[in-house]
Order: sequence, then structure tokens, then C-alpha cells
Amino acid sequence: EDQVTQSPEALRLQEGESSSLNCSYTVSGLRGLFWYRQDPGKGPEFLFTLYSAGEEKEKERLKATLTKKESFLHITAPKPEDSATYLCAVQSIPHYNQGGKLIFGQGTELSVKP
Amino acid sequence: NAGVTQTPKFRVLKTGQSMTLLCAQDMNHEYMYWYRQDPGMGLRLIHYSVGEGTTAKGEVPDGYNVSRLKKQNFLLGLESAAPSQTSVYFCASSYGTDTQYFGPGTRLTVL
Repeated sequence: EDQVTQSPEALRLQEGESSSLNCSYTVSGLRGLFWYRQDPGKGPEFLFTLYSAGEEKEKERLKATLTKKESFLHITAPKPEDSATYLCAVQSIPHYNQGGKLIFGQGTELSVKP
Repeated sequence: NAGVTQTPKFRVLKTGQSMTLLCAQDMNHEYMYWYRQDPGMGLRLIHYSVGEGTTAKGEVPDGYNVSRLKKQNFLLGLESAAPSQTSVYFCASSYGTDTQYFGPGTRLTVL
């Protein structure tokens, strides 16, 4: 059974204090791993898709990396506006061929204090 | 482009009442999805559609029905609401089975 586990559940940082969020997964053939950002009361906002181990993608202060068992979302010198819940989701090859189902983790709630 | 829109934003139902949630997208996406989000459970897929006139069950389909009569719209129905269906409902759409783009959500409370 495909599973996604995110850690930590919550993370509090001071502005400028870099850190990383973890997404561990087990899946029957990974087709893609997706990172989303979700602000309170809003829908998830797409950030990145990673397809193969060793791949990295960057956007402003965020960098996502992928290995065969986990993905990291690195946040460099975060600002208060980076505060949000970050969601990780995986798509297996079988699910890619059958409607594109995503399996989501429970998310990491990030709070950045000024 | 408005992207993915959902109506209503909030709704309170009594047990046994019925309602329909509407999702609309203007990106000409073939695939559309309904998820529910509950504290500590993550997003879970209810039903999905791979094109106009098609629907399929997701992970938690019981108590829900869906219809995709037009490509741009995907409706989620609750025939007899139960307190266990209190949740936040999100619609998403995608071009093929690639990146899914989400709507703003509908917060439903069943008393």
C-alpha cells in the first residue's frame, strides 16, 4: 500500500533560520512526487514536481530534492510569509495510468517568527 | 483565468439533508477530482473523472455521488448527510494525470 509520512508535524523557526522538511514514502513504482503549500482557509497551491532520484528544483527560498525513499523541502533564510502548511504527495505508476490518484501526507505546519 | 472555483464556500446541513457542491474549471482540463481534508488525515480522494460523462471511485466514495455532464463542471452530491461528512472539500483539475490544481475549498458542517 502506498504511504506518505511527513515530519515534523509542526516546525517553528525564527526569520532567517534555515531548515528542512521531510517526506518519506513507500510506493509501488514512483511516477512523481509533488509539493504543495496550503495557507489557512485556502486550497493547496502547487510548488514542485520531482520525477527521479537526484532531481532538484528551486523556487525563491525553497528547494526540493528527491531520493529513492524520501524528499526534502529545504527552506533557506525563511521569512514570515513562508508560514504555511506544506503538503507532500506521491503518484505511483499504476495510479498514473488510472486517473492520476495522489496519496498525500498529513503535512508540516511551518511557522516563521520575525 | 479564474482557475478552479467552488461553490458554496461554507454550508451547514442537518443530518439527513442533501446538497450538491459545484466545481468549475476554465483551464480546459480533462481530469477532475474531489478530495476531503480532515485534521490528522490528510487529503483523501472521494471520486474522480477522466473526462466528460465519466466518473470513478476514489479512496473514500461511500455516501457521495458525482456527475460530470460538462467538461468544465464536476458536481459532488450528498444524498443523506451524516455528521461524519463534516469536512473541508476540495476540487482539483489536471491536464492528463500530471499536476493537479486545487480550488479554494468548501467547508461543510453536518449537525
